[in-house]
Amino acid sequence: NAGVTQTPKFRILKIGQSMTLQCTQDMNHNYMYWYRQDPGMGLKLIYYSVGAGITDKGEVPNGYNVSRSTTEDFPLRLELAAPSQTSVYFCASSYPGLAGGGTQYFGPGTRLLVL
Amino acid sequence: GESVGLHLPTLSVQEGDNSIINCAYSNSASDYFIWYKQESGKGPQFIIDIRSNMDKRQGQRVTVLLNKTVKHLSLQIAATQPGDSAVYFCATQAGYSTLTFGKGTMLLVSP
Repeated sequence: NAGVTQTPKFRILKIGQSMTLQCTQDMNHNYMYWYRQDPGMGLKLIYYSVGAGITDKGEVPNGYNVSRSTTEDFPLRLELAAPSQTSVYFCASSYPGLAGGGTQYFGPGTRLLVL
Repeated sequence: GESVGLHLPTLSVQEGDNSIINCAYSNSASDYFIWYKQESGKGPQFIIDIRSNMDKRQGQRVTVLLNKTVKHLSLQIAATQPGDSAVYFCATQAGYSTLTFGKGTMLLVSP
């Protein structure tokens, strides 16, 4: 299994541009998540999904959109990039355990710089 | 809201020593706890987890201790190696809520 894969690895955007961060998992996990990690900080949840066709906001959803048309894919869309969105973005997936979403497995991350 | 904090932002140890990384959480309803390791330029990697019905769980060279009374979690790494150098995050979950991550502790292992 490849696990969780993310593309691109690095991207530079100009203010106002848009882009989609791709995330794919091959573990047949129902739950998928998008986090951002700012320097020296922990992970903040942007959006998550508990299954195909179902998405929900996390702690910091403003400026982002997601969709979940298949179990495997969970793309994150930035419509109007702002410097505040400069961060490292991690996608994760999990299979529901005894409680909640269970152990989350992370992708390698996408580094985004907005200038 | 829930907060998850760490007592020490950086921990420096000598190779072969035992390392202890601490984590305090605030939500008494938390019932699932995870430790992640994050190496530079990589995504967080699962190390070990523990549920609230346990107070200790051991893995390979790692032990997680849970004290629900004082809402404290610790990760012990035995015989620390240079390859253990990384940032370690604790994360907590209450029921079917999403995970809440701490800010992380940097572990530096000197040869």
